[in-house]
Amino acid sequence: GAGVSQSPSNKVTEKGKDVELRCDPISGHTALYWYRQSLGQGLEFLIYFQGNSAPDKSGLPSDRFSAERTGGSVSTLTIQRTQQEDSAVYLCATAPQPNTEAFFGQGTRLTVV
Amino acid sequence: KNEVEQSPQNLTAQEGEFITINCSYSVGISALHWLQQHPGGGIVSLFMLSSGKKKHGRLIATINIQEKHSSLHITASHPRDSAVYICGVGQFYFGTGTSLTVIP
Repeated sequence: GAGVSQSPSNKVTEKGKDVELRCDPISGHTALYWYRQSLGQGLEFLIYFQGNSAPDKSGLPSDRFSAERTGGSVSTLTIQRTQQEDSAVYLCATAPQPNTEAFFGQGTRLTVV
Repeated sequence: KNEVEQSPQNLTAQEGEFITINCSYSVGISALHWLQQHPGGGIVSLFMLSSGKKKHGRLIATINIQEKHSSLHITASHPRDSAVYICGVGQFYFGTGTSLTVIP
């Protein structure tokens, strides 16, 4: 597709379950970012991938959160043993290179019940 | 203290008014971003700037590196400008956004 694609668009899960969120970047974009946007809060940086370099995981809030990027393309954000405070919109953004304009996906709205 | 502070948090304007949204930051930057998020919609990048001023249509963004301050101006505001405007420093630090409502 032409833009950043995220799936699913909505996810309701029970507390304690694991969830996987997917991001398909724009072809050729080497930089990929994951963010979380909680109700009434700003964008919170989670993790950053650049090419084949080791990811910057400095924003991950706990060891329940992890992410992978396979072949420099598709990325998956995994949240293990979900908690109610994990409920938020998870956004993926990609850019042709670091420090260039980023393009955002529509996000995955995660609700933990 | 947040690394990026925006003001005001909420803004209501009459159609046609000139609007200014401010952003102050405390971290070093490579670039500052202004983003737009419509209700229920995705986020769109409006500007990326590291110095001076940029203009796209009715939108103008300025940055003062020495003062660590940026402004987003909207001239001749229109109801379709109603959205949340977010200031970001690099790709890692963001303000909580300014919710703008433009009334016809």
